[in-house]
This record gives sequence, structure tokens and C-alpha cells, in this order.
Amino acid sequence: EVQLVESGGGLIQPGGSLRLSCAASGFTFSKYWMHWVRQAAGEGLEWVSRVNSDGSSTNYADSVKGRFTVSRDNTNNTLYLQMNSLRAEDTAVYYCARDRGGVTLHWGQGILVTVSS
Amino acid sequence: AIQLTQSPSSLSASVGDRVTITCRASQGISGALAWYQQKPGKAPKLLIYDASSLESGVPSRFSGSKSGTDFTLTISSLQPEDFATYYCQQYNNYPFTFGPGTKVDI
Repeated sequence: EVQLVESGGGLIQPGGSLRLSCAASGFTFSKYWMHWVRQAAGEGLEWVSRVNSDGSSTNYADSVKGRFTVSRDNTNNTLYLQMNSLRAEDTAVYYCARDRGGVTLHWGQGILVTVSS
Repeated sequence: AIQLTQSPSSLSASVGDRVTITCRASQGISGALAWYQQKPGKAPKLLIYDASSLESGVPSRFSGSKSGTDFTLTISSLQPEDFATYYCQQYNNYPFTFGPGTKVDI
């Protein structure tokens, strides 16, 4: 069974940094591209980032480009999202998701990030 | 970035109704469009990919179609469990983008 478990969220002050992790199990992690998607409370879904299977290629939403960095550790089956220069508008539930040809079939349960002073 | 607009933003329907949701892309995206269903407090669920391909395990009352840059999700006979918000997503160009969502009230 595919499992994706996010961790590392919490309350952080504006301008601060946070690193999210997504532990993957139940599939060969190193073979799949992965995504981060976020959702502010009461709002819609926002695609954030994706990384290819070996971590050599990444893409980002315009809203996070230059501030967020996606990476992965295929030895430990873990996806990361390093978030710097955090803003109030980055407050959201962050989901990691497994790619299948561009769509996302398997999702984690999500982790809340709150940016507030 | 490619913009996706959805209409309507919300709708109320009855069990058994035929429901149609439209997603329009700001430019051509070929057939690289997916539809997701999301219930409160849950992660999204993939329903349709490549504009009209039904994901395995999804009831056949869900269908998708494409006409130019307009995409349609149809629920042929609405069921109580279909109360949810529906999002389209394009994956033809980075950055990927989602539509704003359509909330379906039963």
C-alpha cells in the first residue's frame, strides 16, 4: 500500500524557514516523480513544486520560486520542501503526492504550516 | 502561467440529477487536464485524467470531455456521496495550475 506521511509543519514567524519532510513507503520511491501541493484554509488547491525521480530536475509555482527548494533522498525514501523567507500567505496545509504522468494519484494526509507573529 | 477558470463556482442539485462542470484554459493544453474530487478534511481524489480517461475504481457516472480549451466534467446521476468540491488541473505546462473549484451541494 502506498503511504505518504508529511512532517515538519508548525508555527513559524514571517521571514523564517521551515523544512517539510514526506516519508514514502509501499512503492519504489526512486522511480517516481513527486509533487508538493498546498491549500490555505477554505481555499482551493495550489500546486507548489515537483521533482523528478533522481532529483536532478525541479519546477516551482511562481509564488514560491526563489524561496522554496524541493529535494529528495532516495536512499531514505524521503521528499523534502525547504521553505525560506516565509510569508503569511504561505500558511496552508501542505500535501506531498506521487506523480503519474503529471497527475497525482496518491496523496499524504497533509501537514499544517502557519506563518504568523 | 496557464489560468484555469471553472463554472459554476457552486451549484445545488438533487440526487439523480445530471451535473456538468466546465473548466476553461487560458491557452491550449492539449488533453493534459485532470479532474479531482475533494471532501472536507481529506486529500483530493483523482477522477479523470487526460481530459476523458476514467481513473480505475471511479464510478462510471463520472465522465470528462474536451472541446478546444474547454473541458467538462459530467456526473450522470448525482449520488449523495458526490457532495464535494471539484477541481480541474492542467499538467501540460509548468507551473501546473488548478482551477478555483466548484462546490457541489446536494
